Amino acid sequence: AQTVTQSQPEMSVQEAETVTLSCTYDTSESDYYLFWYKQPPSRQMILVIRQEAYKQQNATENRFSVNFQKAAKSFSLKISDSQLGDAAMYFCAYLSNYQLIWGAGTKLIIKP
Amino acid sequence: EPEVTQTPSHQVTQMGQEVILRCVPISNHLYFYWYRQILGQKVEFLVSFYNNEISEKSEIFDDQFSVERPDGSNFTLKIRSTKLEDSAMYFCASSIQALAELIYNEQFFGPGTRLTVL
Repeated sequence: AQTVTQSQPEMSVQEAETVTLSCTYDTSESDYYLFWYKQPPSRQMILVIRQEAYKQQNATENRFSVNFQKAAKSFSLKISDSQLGDAAMYFCAYLSNYQLIWGAGTKLIIKP
Repeated sequence: EPEVTQTPSHQVTQMGQEVILRCVPISNHLYFYWYRQILGQKVEFLVSFYNNEISEKSEIFDDQFSVERPDGSNFTLKIRSTKLEDSAMYFCASSIQALAELIYNEQFFGPGTRLTVL
C-alpha cells in the first residue's frame, strides 16, 4: 500500500527567506501524481503544486517549486521569498486510484 | 471561478443522532469524494462516488456512513448514529472525468464542515 511521510511536524522561516519541506512516499506504481496542499487557518485545502511522476522536470508555480527524486521516492517543496501569507499546514499527498493518500502535514511558521 | 461548496460550515450534534453533511460539487464534475480530518491528525479518505455509485471506500466508511446524490447537484454524506470519534472536519471534493489514462483529475476541495459530536 502507498504511504506518505512528512518527517517535519513544524518548520519556521524568516520572512523573505527560502524554506524546504520534506516528503517521502512509498509505492510500487511507476506512474502517479504527487501534490502539495496548503491548509491555512480557515482549513480549506488549497492545491499548491502537482508533479506527474513520468515527467522528469520539476514542477514550478511562481515561488513554489518541487525537488522530485523518483528513485529516492522523495518530493520536497521549496518556498522562495517566504511571505506571511504562506503560514499554514502543508500536506504532501499521493494520488492512487482517484483517492488521495496524505502525509501528516508540516506546520509552517513565518517569522516577520 | 467555479468552486465546491459545503454546508453547514459547523454542525454540532448529540451522540447517537443522525447528521447529513451537504456538498455542491463543481457542475461539470463527475467524481465526488469525502475526506475527513480529525483535529491534529492527517486527512483520511472516506469514499469516492461516480455514476451514482460508490467506486471506492476506506475501512472508516462502515455501515454508519452513506452517500447520496439526491438531485443531480448535491452530494451528501450521512452519518446514521454519530459517535464522539466522528468529530472531525469533513471535506468534500470533486473532479472531472478522465478522458484518457494519465490525464490528471485534480480534486477541488470544498471549505469543509466541522462536525462536533457531544
